[in-house]
Amino acid sequence: DTAVSQTPKYLVTQMGNDKSIKCEQNLGHDTMYWYKQDSKKFLKIMFSYNNKELIINETVPNRFSPKSPDKAHLNLHINSLELGDSAVYFCASSQDVPGSGNTIYFGEGSWLTVV
Amino acid sequence: AQTVTQSQPEMSVQEAETVTLSCTYDTSESDYYLFWYKQPPSRQMILVIRQEAYKQQNATENRFSVNFQKAAKSFSLKISDSQLGDAAMYFCAYRRNSWGKLQFGAGTQVVVTP
Repeated sequence: DTAVSQTPKYLVTQMGNDKSIKCEQNLGHDTMYWYKQDSKKFLKIMFSYNNKELIINETVPNRFSPKSPDKAHLNLHINSLELGDSAVYFCASSQDVPGSGNTIYFGEGSWLTVV
Repeated sequence: AQTVTQSQPEMSVQEAETVTLSCTYDTSESDYYLFWYKQPPSRQMILVIRQEAYKQQNATENRFSVNFQKAAKSFSLKISDSQLGDAAMYFCAYRRNSWGKLQFGAGTQVVVTP
């Protein structure tokens, strides 16, 4: 009954490969996010989707392509992986109504290591 | 420019004692939302407490409470009666409005000693 679930949890891959991380939320939320946590544990937003539409795209290399087939799913595809892409990627979701500033709930993270 | 600043990279506390984590933020908005998240070694991001800027009353959740000083743009977290399970990285976060991104501070590592 996990609220925000991501797969895979761990991923080790070689430079130059293409990989995807999948995310699903069963909270009925209409907004989903991808955050990246680097080796210094700094967390930064990458993308945000509201009802399948992209609303935040934070200066992320175009090798990263999010896809939201429906409002319960937000996948992240990464092309031509580089060493610097090694990080923990968090999917998150929230239910937003005007003026609410609702809490964002996070998945368990996907630990990507590029070798 | 850094919106959220946590000036303490690490704080140590003995079991049953109290520790306070500091957080300051920068904003020109009058309405916004503040959060503390806990990240244990499992890396799971767990919401600890949240505060709406329009509320003057400080939020509390069991042993966790905040001191929200809007004019000073300060949002500290107090952990009372610390337990070994409180050992984790704690992140302060700011959210401007609905659909706004959550902006995090650099985190404070809390170490709990028996």
